Amino acid sequence: GQNIDQPTEMTATEGAIVQINCTYQTSGFNGLFWYQQHAGEAPTFLSYNVLDGLEEKGRFSSFLSRSKGYSYLLLKELQMKDSASYLCALWSGYSTLTFGKGTMLLVSP
Amino acid sequence: DTAVSQTPKYLVTQMGNDKSIKCEQNLGHDTMYWYKQDSKKFLKIMFSYNNKELIINETVPNRFSPKSPDKAHLNLHINSLELGDSAVYFCASSQVSGGARNEQFFGPGTRLTVL
Repeated sequence: GQNIDQPTEMTATEGAIVQINCTYQTSGFNGLFWYQQHAGEAPTFLSYNVLDGLEEKGRFSSFLSRSKGYSYLLLKELQMKDSASYLCALWSGYSTLTFGKGTMLLVSP
Repeated sequence: DTAVSQTPKYLVTQMGNDKSIKCEQNLGHDTMYWYKQDSKKFLKIMFSYNNKELIINETVPNRFSPKSPDKAHLNLHINSLELGDSAVYFCASSQVSGGARNEQFFGPGTRLTVL
């Protein structure tokens, strides 16, 4: 099976940088996704890592270390609209996407 | 608009009733999914269909029956609704299955409340 751990909640200030961590235990996976979900809305794709290292996409970056079973999502220049839940998910092939329980990020002025 | 759509957005019903949720995608994707998101916001796969064929069926009560009339539609029928079925149900689709990258596009969700 797979186990994915993320902090339940985080708070940060507008303009700051925040790092949301995701640790996992699995027998194997193809890649790791990060999704953003605003309250009452659908999850939307943020990033995908298949190789170790950093993937940068504007204000958002995601990092993966397979040897450490660890990923993080880095959000820079935080905006109020970044207040949302951030979901880490493992892609194991055969259409299996296993989500963590998500980290609720609250950005304050 | 190209998207994944679901109807209805809200569904309130009594225990014991039977209800259906419809999902359509016009993205030309081959694979469609149903997820359940509970009150603790945990998003869990229920079913996956590839070209109208069932490929994943997680541990879901057999009161839940997905139906895919064509690869653009995946409907979810629920018999004998129970209180524990109250949740938000998301439909999603992706271009490919198997080992390749599988970015999934989600519908807006259907909030089901069983009284």
